[in-house]
Amino acid sequence: SQQGEEDPQALSIQEGENATMNCSYKTSINNLQWYRQNSGRGLVHLILIRSNEREKHSGRLRVTLDTSKKSSSLLITASRAADTASYFCATNSLTNTGNQFYFGTGTSLTVIP
Amino acid sequence: ETGVTQTPRHLVMGMTNKKSLKCEQHLGHNAMYWYKQSAKKPLELMFVYNFKEQTENNSVPSRFSPECPNSSHLFLHLHTLQPEDSALYLCASSQTNIAKNIQYFGAGTRLSVL
Repeated sequence: SQQGEEDPQALSIQEGENATMNCSYKTSINNLQWYRQNSGRGLVHLILIRSNEREKHSGRLRVTLDTSKKSSSLLITASRAADTASYFCATNSLTNTGNQFYFGTGTSLTVIP
Repeated sequence: ETGVTQTPRHLVMGMTNKKSLKCEQHLGHNAMYWYKQSAKKPLELMFVYNFKEQTENNSVPSRFSPECPNSSHLFLHLHTLQPEDSALYLCASSQTNIAKNIQYFGAGTRLSVL
């Protein structure tokens, strides 16, 4: 499978702590994206990092990308109860059949108030 | 509100029923996707349409039949489903320009097959 794998599958932290989620993938990519999903809802795009970028920030989110290791991490700083959700990485590659988009298995984050 | 609307939000059907899921986007995107999300499983890409042409069909059983009459609308026709088809079905749209290929998802249709 070309899907990414998130690690850990589930994470539970106290409010105010930082949460780190990792993603590994198998193919070369054009960019990697992180999405958030609240229970029973659609996914919402959080941040995109291109293959020639190593780190990107957006508010309390920090994403790193290591293309040599085919891995990425998402750090959420100063977590809040409202950050409780599932987080997915998604790789985007350009192939001879067009754009290929693969989602990882997701990390379920619980932030305890 | 993501600009992608799915209807119905919930659907209960018997194995002999025929129903359709609808997805509509008003974002000017030219690619649309159907995903299946089952409990404790990865998101499964089912179908991809680029400029109304189906470009991907990930070995989906023929009891699922997609239709894309234009770049703003996408349907998933369902017939003779099985209980294991119960899942959250998500529609998404995006630009095909890889630099802008962020997917916008609808809220999903929760399908229960009895």
